[in-house]
Amino acid sequence: DSGVTQTPKHLITATGQRVTLRCSPRSGDLSVYWYQQSLDQGLQFLIQYYNGEERAKGNILERFSAQQFPDLHSELNLSSLELGDSALYFCASSVGRSGTDTQYFGPGTRLTVL
Amino acid sequence: DAKTTQPNSMESNEEEPVHLPCNHSTISGTDYIHWYRQLPSQGPEYVIHGLTSNVNNRMASLAIAEDRKSSTLILHRATLRDAAVYYCIPAGTGNQFYFGTGTSLTVIP
Repeated sequence: DSGVTQTPKHLITATGQRVTLRCSPRSGDLSVYWYQQSLDQGLQFLIQYYNGEERAKGNILERFSAQQFPDLHSELNLSSLELGDSALYFCASSVGRSGTDTQYFGPGTRLTVL
Repeated sequence: DAKTTQPNSMESNEEEPVHLPCNHSTISGTDYIHWYRQLPSQGPEYVIHGLTSNVNNRMASLAIAEDRKSSTLILHRATLRDAAVYYCIPAGTGNQFYFGTGTSLTVIP
């Protein structure tokens, strides 16, 4: 158990819909990262937040947005969903602001878009 | 960040040592070499990282070539629980992790 929690575990929705994925970091960690893992793209970095502020952006679509709240939990919002958004979404957390600090990953949310 | 080359897959017998190679010939002088692994149906987990010297921890050892263009992750006695995809990630401080395709390790009982 990494100490990072993600909800929900599974999500099934239809194209065009909007969903919110939630992540709670390990106690004491200030950075939260979001990754997408699909069969054809592998594990891709989406975005990092550090202590409530956006720190780094990766291959995140404009239809996707994220935020980190004062209690440090984070949410990833996915809108206008397409079939290709079906994937595993992982959240990770780390103590510091560097994107290469040791990251602890949650169990993931499996999103299926029908 | 440096590009990496890892074997797509490797096999090992249980309780034998495993050497997982990684080539990163374009690594920069300040890039650390990180290794993560992803067990089936789980998120990735940290294994080890190092800069220049060989490193050991309770999970594995990391041997880094003198020119730093390659490294080897060593599992001293493979167990069935070590079956996973292993990612080698050279990355500079402040950058982000690029996971690549990794090496899928099969452990044979």
